[in-house]
Amino acid sequence: DTGVSQDPRHKITKRGQNVTFRCDPISEHNRLYWYRQTLGQGPEFLTYFQNEAQLEKSRLLSDRFSAERPKGSFSTLEIQRTEQGDSAMYLCASSLSGGRSYTFGSGTRLTVV
Amino acid sequence: QQQVKQSPQSLIVQKGGISIINCAYENTAFDYFPWYQQFPGKGPALLIAIRPDVSEKKEGRFTISFNKSAKQFSLHIMDSQPGDSATYFCAAVTSNFGNEKLTFGTGTRLTIIP
Repeated sequence: DTGVSQDPRHKITKRGQNVTFRCDPISEHNRLYWYRQTLGQGPEFLTYFQNEAQLEKSRLLSDRFSAERPKGSFSTLEIQRTEQGDSAMYLCASSLSGGRSYTFGSGTRLTVV
Repeated sequence: QQQVKQSPQSLIVQKGGISIINCAYENTAFDYFPWYQQFPGKGPALLIAIRPDVSEKKEGRFTISFNKSAKQFSLHIMDSQPGDSATYFCAAVTSNFGNEKLTFGTGTRLTIIP
């Protein structure tokens, strides 16, 4: 296991299209997080899963965003009807329960044109 | 609402010098303070972290100083090297039903010049 994997690394899409990103966490990590990072800013929390349960969602996560983690393994983040303001780096991180050490993936850079 | 304020935005230090990055927080519920290092095209990587019951923590060339009463903490990089050139983020963690949520500062772009 080489860490947290995210796919794709880059995505360019036209405004109004739907996009889906995938995150494969470290296999023994039961917690999974999605963060969004815009240019020149720190990552901002979007949502959190413990196993397959989505336990918290940020107010940043509008109705156009949905995340899933079927069977508590990989996770997907879907953005419907993309807008230019959605352009950002989407980061996934995983950790163990009780641990405070996150491992981040390299992110998916989304550009909405 | 920016709960963790970080300064400076950018920093240039000569090789061998000391790099200092400062952060301040408002929420007293924060109980863990990590620093992350991020290289272009990569996700943040944990560098060093401190709990509020400790005033200083050192790991190699990296030291965190923590002032609980002032609600401030800082990262010192001793003997700075060109390989330290990266963006550094301070962060703070609160626990909410198991969600160890990170709140990040805005980042400091550090450049070490020869």
